[in-house]
Formats: sequence, structure tokens, C-alpha cells
Amino acid sequence: TQLLEQSPQFLSIQEGENLTVYCNSSSVFSSLQWYRQEPGEGPVLLVTVVTGGEVKKLKRLTFQFGDARKDSSLHITAAQPGDTGLYLCAGEGSFQKLVFGTGTRLLVSP
Amino acid sequence: DVKVTQSSRYLVKRTGEKVFLECVQDMDHENMFWYRQDPGLGLRLIYFSYDVKMKEKGDIPEGYSVSREKKERFSLILESASTNQTSMYLCASRRRYNEQFFGPGTRLTVL
Repeated sequence: TQLLEQSPQFLSIQEGENLTVYCNSSSVFSSLQWYRQEPGEGPVLLVTVVTGGEVKKLKRLTFQFGDARKDSSLHITAAQPGDTGLYLCAGEGSFQKLVFGTGTRLLVSP
Repeated sequence: DVKVTQSSRYLVKRTGEKVFLECVQDMDHENMFWYRQDPGLGLRLIYFSYDVKMKEKGDIPEGYSVSREKKERFSLILESASTNQTSMYLCASRRRYNEQFFGPGTRLTVL
């Protein structure tokens, strides 16, 4: 069974701080996606990383796929209250199913 | 604007009732999914479908069934609702190996 573990589970920080969220597995994934979910809504895709070692930037968010394609990280620079939400990583599993991580709940206070 | 819509945002049912959750997507996607989301447990896959009239069990199918009579519509059925099925239910669709689009979710409470 493929599993993805995220850490930390919860993060409460002040506006302007930097943070990193980790997504780890013992399994290899052909690609990995990151989603953000806001209260009362479904998750929305932020980025997909495909190549081992790949780094993608989305404004203040930097995503990295591990060289062995077993792990990924999300780094946010100078966090803002609008970044508050639940961050989910998801690996491309078998039979076109995504395997979701346990999630990291981020709260950014003004 | 692409969309996945779910029939209800909030639903309250009694134990033993039959519950239907409807999901419709307008993107002509082959694949559709039903998840439940609970605090600390993340998204857990209940059932999924690759095409019309096809269905596959996910990780937690017990107590649920599904129906996909048309490509755009995927229904989740709770044959006899129980209190441990109180949860947030999320429907999603995707074209093979591409972005997955989620509906807004249905928060179901079973009393």
C-alpha cells in the first residue's frame, strides 16, 4: 500500500515568516501534486511535479520533488494570511488513483 | 469555467435512512471519484469509476455503493446511514493522469 505522510500536521505562524511542509513516502511516484483546500471548499491544484529533483515556483511558493521521487516539499516565503488553509500532497498511484497525504493545516496570523 | 457540482452542501439524515449524494461534472472526464474527509485521517477513497457503468472499490467501500449511468454523473449511496458515516464527502473528476477537480463537498450529519 502506498502511503504519503505529511509534516507537520499543524502550523501556526505570524505573517512574514517562512515555512516548509514535507511530504514523505517509502514508495516511488511518477508524479506528485500539491493542493490547497480552504474551509468549506474542495481542494484546488497548486502544482504538479514530475521529474526527480524538479523545482517549481508559484509566486512565494516553492515546490521540490525529491531526486528519488519518494518525497516532496513545499516552502512558503513571507507567509500571508491568504495562505491559510489545508495543504495536501498527492502522488500518482496505480490505476489512475491519487494517493493523498494526511494534510498540513496552516494558519497565518496578521 | 470547469466545474464539479454536488447536490447538497449540508445534509442531515437519521440512522437507517437511505442517502443519495449526487455529483455532476461538465468537463467530459472519464474518471470520477468519491472521497470522505475526516480530521486527522485525510482524504480516503470510497469508490471510483473509469467510465459509464464501471465502478471500482476504493480503500473504504463498506456501507457505500455507487452508480454511474451517465458519463457526467456519479452518485454515492448510503444504503442505511449510520452515525460513523458522518463526514465531509468530496466528489472529484479527472482526465487520465491530469489535474483532479473537486466539488465543494457535502457535509453529512447522521443523527
